[in-house]
Amino acid sequence: DVKVTQSSRYLVKRTGEKVFLECVQDMDHENMFWYRQDPGLGLRLIYFSYDVKMKEKGDIPEGYSVSREKKERFSLILESASTNQTSMYLCASSQQGIGNTIYFGEGSWLTVV
Amino acid sequence: AQKITQTQPGMFVQEKEAVTLDCTYDTSDQSYGLFWYKQPSSGEMIFLIYQGSYDEQNATEGRYSLNFQKARKSANLVISASQLGDSAMYFCAMREFNNAGNMLTFGGGTRLMVKP
Repeated sequence: DVKVTQSSRYLVKRTGEKVFLECVQDMDHENMFWYRQDPGLGLRLIYFSYDVKMKEKGDIPEGYSVSREKKERFSLILESASTNQTSMYLCASSQQGIGNTIYFGEGSWLTVV
Repeated sequence: AQKITQTQPGMFVQEKEAVTLDCTYDTSDQSYGLFWYKQPSSGEMIFLIYQGSYDEQNATEGRYSLNFQKARKSANLVISASQLGDSAMYFCAMREFNNAGNMLTFGGGTRLMVKP
């Protein structure tokens, strides 16, 4: 079975802190994604990566950065957390190609106080 | 314009009955894929079913089937014999060939509640 693992399920951070959300997949997928989910706004793409060290901005990249140093790991970084970044963050991965399923992790609930 | 539209924010269904969740999409690509995901209250997104734009048969996976009407650009999910465990949010999503990274675009979701 495909496994996408997000390192933290629940986090509480203070405004201005640097926050790392880690994601690891075990299926040698080329593509990895970070989505944010908010009530009434659905899922919105923050960043995606189609190869090691490659990244592309999604719909809402402001305030976020990403890192992909190894194929299996994709990190989301909040350089200086703000209260409007309180949200659920979902990592996902897939093979390249539209017919390939995108598999999601369990999600990370981040609260910034 | 919305690429994926789910017009039913919430729905009730009686246990053991069938239910249809609506999804319409908008794309100019000829090649695309349509997906349905289930999200229980725990938050995980669970893949349910996939339909390719060139697939002539409607996709089926156990109790899930996809009513694909390409000309109408609709991809409705049908759940047969509803169970209490089907209560969750359901998202329709699309991957387009010409979208960089082939990322998924999601609809706003439908909350399904199964009544005992």
